[in-house]
Amino acid sequence: GQNIDQPTEMTATEGAIVQINCTYQTSGFNGLFWYQQHAGEAPTFLSYNVLDGLEEKGRFSSFLSRSKGYSYLLLKELQMKDSASYLCAVSDSNYQLIWGAGTKLIIKP
Amino acid sequence: GAVVSQHPSRVICKSGTSVKIECRSLDFQATTMFWYRQFPKQSLMLMATSNEGSKATYEQGVEKDKFLINHASLTLSTLTVTSAHPEDSSFYICSASSLENSYEQYFGPGTRLTVT
Repeated sequence: GQNIDQPTEMTATEGAIVQINCTYQTSGFNGLFWYQQHAGEAPTFLSYNVLDGLEEKGRFSSFLSRSKGYSYLLLKELQMKDSASYLCAVSDSNYQLIWGAGTKLIIKP
Repeated sequence: GAVVSQHPSRVICKSGTSVKIECRSLDFQATTMFWYRQFPKQSLMLMATSNEGSKATYEQGVEKDKFLINHASLTLSTLTVTSAHPEDSSFYICSASSLENSYEQYFGPGTRLTVT
């Protein structure tokens, strides 16, 4: 079956760095997405990785290792507004998104 | 670019009535649209995939006659929840992808449906 695993919840301190991991097992691979979702809102796109390596975009970076079926989202200089759920999703061989359950990130002052 | 709108953003209806939710791609042609449902503290559940001009493909366990999907044009898809019941109360989100960027889905803001 297809499976995406990510931690349910993480806590970090304002100004610090946090890494959210995602492991996946899917039928085919056409890229991995990270989305941010605030409570009561739709997800917003953060990053897309299809090749191995690190993609940096401002305070957010995303890493992919296809051989290990592994990705992480790195958030630097955390701000209170970063408190949200972070969803990992993999595009499978049919270009359908397989979603993880999301990681709720709590930022403390 | 790549903006997707949904209407209404919130709707409250009585049990037994039908509700229509619209999803529009504002600045691109959406060859494929997706409808998701999300329960509190859970991930998105894909309900169906629709391509313009053809019948929607429903995921296993999703009732076709209850959740009617119409993708009549390249910029509009509608989801109609027929004979709604309280258990249909949920957050419904649509997304769209274009032929040029088929790998990426652009999400609408979602519709909060409450059935009383």
